[in-house]
Amino acid sequence: AQSVAQPEDQVNVAEGNPLTVKCTYSVSGNPYLFWYVQYPNRGLQFLLKYITGDNLVKGSYGFEAEFNKSQTSFHLKKPSALVSDSALYFCAVRDGNYGQNFVFGPGTRLSVLP
Amino acid sequence: EAQVTQNPRYLITVTGKKLTVTCSQNMNHEYMSWYRQDPGLGLRQIYYSMNVEVTDKGDVPEGYKVSRKEKRNFPLILESPSPNQTSLYFCASSLGTGGSYEQYFGPGTRLTVT
Repeated sequence: AQSVAQPEDQVNVAEGNPLTVKCTYSVSGNPYLFWYVQYPNRGLQFLLKYITGDNLVKGSYGFEAEFNKSQTSFHLKKPSALVSDSALYFCAVRDGNYGQNFVFGPGTRLSVLP
Repeated sequence: EAQVTQNPRYLITVTGKKLTVTCSQNMNHEYMSWYRQDPGLGLRQIYYSMNVEVTDKGDVPEGYKVSRKEKRNFPLILESPSPNQTSLYFCASSLGTGGSYEQYFGPGTRLTVT
C-alpha cells in the first residue's frame, strides 16, 4: 500500500526567502505525485504533478518540485516566498501500477512572514 | 465555469439520521472521489468511481455508501451517521482513470453529528 509523509507540521519563512515543503512517499510501483494547496475555507487547488520525465517539474504560482527516486522524495520549492503563499499544502501519491486510489499526506502549514 | 459543486456546505445532524451529500461536476470527468479531512490526518479517500456504475472503496469506507448512476453526479450517503463521522468532506473529479490527471475539488461540506 502507498503512503505519504510530510515531516513538518508547520514551516515558517520570511517573505522573499526561498521556501521548501518536504514530502516523502512509499509505493510498490511507479509513483504519480501531486502537490495541492488549500486556502482557508476553500477546497484544494492543484499546483503541480510528476508522472514521468524530467525530475524538476514547474507548476502554478512559481512553485516547482523535484522528484528524487533514490530518496523517494518530492519536495515543493519556491525561490522567493510571498505572504499570499501562506496556506496548507498537501502532497499526494498514486501507485501507477496498482489500483486507482490516492493517498494524501497530513499537510504542512506554510506561514510567510512579512 | 468548470466546477465541482457540493451541497449542503454545512450540515448539523443527530446520530442515526440518514443523510446525503450531493456532488456534481460539469466537466464530463470519468473519475470522481470522496475524501474526508481531519486535523493531523490530511485527506483520506472514502470511495471513488471510475465511471458510471463503477465504484470502489478507498481507505476509510466504513459507514458510507456511494452511487454513480450518472456521469456528473456522485452522492455520498451516510445511512446511520455517528459522531466519529463529524468531519470536512470533499468531492473531487478528474478527467481520466489513468491516475495521471489532477483532481478538481469541490468547496467542501462541513458535517457535524451530535
